[in-house]
Amino acid sequence: ELKVEQNPLFLSMQEGKNYTIYCNYSTTSDRLYWYRQDPGKSLESLFVLLSNGAVKQEGRLMASLDTKARLSTLHITAAVHDLSATYFCAVERYNNDMRFGAGTRLTVKP
Amino acid sequence: DSGVTQTPKHLITATGQRVTLRCSPRSGDLSVYWYQQSLDQGLQFLIQYYNGEERAKGNILERFSAQQFPDLHSELNLSSLELGDSALYFCASSGGAQYFGPGTRLTVL
Repeated sequence: ELKVEQNPLFLSMQEGKNYTIYCNYSTTSDRLYWYRQDPGKSLESLFVLLSNGAVKQEGRLMASLDTKARLSTLHITAAVHDLSATYFCAVERYNNDMRFGAGTRLTVKP
Repeated sequence: DSGVTQTPKHLITATGQRVTLRCSPRSGDLSVYWYQQSLDQGLQFLIQYYNGEERAKGNILERFSAQQFPDLHSELNLSSLELGDSALYFCASSGGAQYFGPGTRLTVL
């Protein structure tokens, strides 16, 4: 069974600092997604990673995928308050089954 | 605005009842996914349709069913509702990345 583990589950950062969120999954997959969710809101797609070694960047966020290690990371550079949200990774298998991580609640403090 | 619409936004009903949630995907997207988000279960994938055909099933209960119509809108039917079915229900459509609708908040009393 496909399992997806994110850590940490809670992250409190100072503005200007860097940090990484980790997403481990248990079986081979076709795609890995990162989403952002603000409180009371829907999910916003951040990145879709398709292949080993894929790296995508958007602003202060960078996502990477290592399919051999079954690991994806979401790196935050020089955090700002606007990045405060919950971040989810999700893994899609060849049969289109999707599994989400539990989410990382990020708080960026001044 | 993702381009995915969901109705209604809020739904309050009683145990044992049946409800229907509706989703219209982005123009041109053939895939529709349904998800449930609750505090205790987190985000769970329920079911996916592609151009009217069921493509994948996740943790969808037998009391729940879905369909996608020729105009590509989709409906999620929840029956014999229980207190534990109270959750946010999202649909998403896909054209590479997934685009989520605003969700329907279901409260079962």
